[in-house]
Amino acid sequence: DADVTQTPRNRITKTGKRIMLECSQTKGHDRMYWYRQDPGLGLRLIYYSFDVKDINKGEISDGYSVSRQAQAKFSLSLESAIPNQTALYFCATSPGRETQYFGPGTRLLVL
Amino acid sequence: GQNIDQPTEMTATEGAIVQINCTYQTSGFNGLFWYQQHAAEAPTFLSYNVLDGLEEKGRFSSFLSRSKGYSYLLLKELQMKDSASYLCAVNRAGTYKYIFGTGTRLKVLA
Repeated sequence: DADVTQTPRNRITKTGKRIMLECSQTKGHDRMYWYRQDPGLGLRLIYYSFDVKDINKGEISDGYSVSRQAQAKFSLSLESAIPNQTALYFCATSPGRETQYFGPGTRLLVL
Repeated sequence: GQNIDQPTEMTATEGAIVQINCTYQTSGFNGLFWYQQHAAEAPTFLSYNVLDGLEEKGRFSSFLSRSKGYSYLLLKELQMKDSASYLCAVNRAGTYKYIFGTGTRLKVLA
């Protein structure tokens, strides 16, 4: 079984809709991250969390919110989706500063 | 400010050696990472350098010079399956945040 899972894997939605992307991990890591990846722009950090009570904005948090429901779960919400939020979204976990483990990604299309 | 630069695309031949360069500027440094990412898949960890020098791991090696803000990933005995994007990332000192470059797309030709 995968250590970091993301649901859904693919999602098509319309402008203005609220959607939630979910991430779960079985690695027991405290640190969790949400990134988006766009062609030519690389991975950009949206939000990160070091434990259930610690949530931090990344470089592109506008239009997004997160919830850390438990050590193992970190959800990303788009309050009112817009077309330029069309991207590939990755969740990642980390035991420390040596590495990150990425989920399989969610491909989101906002029409 | 912070910036990471790496070539957009490279091409090499099966069995050859290729070096992918990465230069960085960051306010504080606490390690440099290389990840491999096949198309639309999750990045997977390749290497981590925090001290100057060369780290070797099988066919892959990674080098770091902190004074020059420079790293490279060396891939030997290239195989077709090495066709992928290679992401350079830096961990900022005092944080657990990672800044990623835009990636280098490597094509391995038969």
